[in-house]
Amino acid sequence: NAGVTQTPKFQVLKTGQSMTLQCAQDMNHEYMSWYRQDPGMGLRLIHYSVGAGITDQGEVPNGYNVSRSTTEDFPLRLLSAAPSQTSVYFCASSYYHENAGTTYEQYFGPGTRLTVT
Amino acid sequence: KNEVEQSPQNLTAQEGEFITINCSYSVGISALHWLQQHPGGGIVSLFMLSSGKKKHGRLIATINIQEKHSSLHITASHPRDSAVYICAVSGFGNEKLTFGTGTRLTIIP
Repeated sequence: NAGVTQTPKFQVLKTGQSMTLQCAQDMNHEYMSWYRQDPGMGLRLIHYSVGAGITDQGEVPNGYNVSRSTTEDFPLRLLSAAPSQTSVYFCASSYYHENAGTTYEQYFGPGTRLTVT
Repeated sequence: KNEVEQSPQNLTAQEGEFITINCSYSVGISALHWLQQHPGGGIVSLFMLSSGKKKHGRLIATINIQEKHSSLHITASHPRDSAVYICAVSGFGNEKLTFGTGTRLTIIP
């Protein structure tokens, strides 16, 4: 099992450029999520998905889009990059208990360090 | 929204010392997670618990549901334990996690 993979590891963008951060998992997890990590702040949820075709917004969704066409992949799109989006981005996945609405042990990808100039 | 607070924010200790990191939250939860993040590294799940106590090697996690409080203990600490330890909680019927800001632990040889 590769677990959760993310690409790229590092990226520098100019203000206004767009890009897609890739995330994939091979554990057949229903739940996938994107977080950003900024100094002095806890991980903050951007978007999440409880299954293919289902996505929802988290705490800080503005400026980001997601889609979930397969169980394995959950790409995060930056529509028009801004310096405020400079951060480290983590993708995570876990099993999901639909009836209880709960998730289980979280598996994180290695992160993408994004700088927007 | 659940507020998650960790203490201390930073902790430096000598190798071999017993370490305690605390996490408190404001609203009842379905589960609490302890995560570890090494400098420049990824995030690894250490424990997920909803009651009582769990142990894995030198790490012990406890939770007191009534007091809305959890502790992570490290026995016989070692320099390789140096990392940021993060507490996160999920609410009832709520798959989303709320994270604390982390405790930076440094173990000096």
